[in-house]
Amino acid sequence: DIQMTQSPSSVSASVGDRVTITCRASQGISGTLGWYQQKPGKAPKLLIYAGTGLQSGVPSRFSGSGSGTDFTLTISSLQPEDFATYYCQQANSYPYTFGQGTKLEIK
Amino acid sequence: QITLKESGPTLVKPTQTLTLTCTFSGFSLSTSGGAVGWIRQPPGKALDWLALIYWDDEIHYRPSLRSRLTIAKDTSKNQVVLTMTNMDPVDTATYYCAHRWRGFFDYWGQGTLVTVSS
Repeated sequence: DIQMTQSPSSVSASVGDRVTITCRASQGISGTLGWYQQKPGKAPKLLIYAGTGLQSGVPSRFSGSGSGTDFTLTISSLQPEDFATYYCQQANSYPYTFGQGTKLEIK
Repeated sequence: QITLKESGPTLVKPTQTLTLTCTFSGFSLSTSGGAVGWIRQPPGKALDWLALIYWDDEIHYRPSLRSRLTIAKDTSKNQVVLTMTNMDPVDTATYYCAHRWRGFFDYWGQGTLVTVSS
């Protein structure tokens, strides 16, 4: 299985801050990485697909980059509604695997 | 508009078999490329992908659970059914079904919490 490791596990930030979350794959996955946002009690929401693609309806302050084994999710200017847990997922090979999550908290 | 909804028992006893149904609309599993997956999330923990079924009956399972899982589709009812045998308390989780698109899950059901307890 491909292991996905996110860092940090949690981060505190303020509204307006720029935040970057990293996801590292245990082997190369080309650009087959997605990012999800999950709020308490809700299903995950797809934000970024194929490493850099912005899912329809997702604000442009979210962006993804990377390929191979190292990927990042950047939120350019945090909004109150962005405080949530974020997960990466690889779709390069089965079994699909998710990272352990990064909790983004209000400072 | 794509929607999915999970249904099934909220409580099962250890060793029992869990059967969950995902009822969806807005797409067809008889159309080329269509696929539905199951993902679970233990309380306070991360997401775990379980299984995936394609329109052409291609199926993939999480290897560590392969012996316990069965996924099947009923295209006439727009449903996907997941069965998991020999349930254990560690299987307590919210179970989601989701529409697969380009390898990712773009539409999700609301999830159903399944508790395994005697």
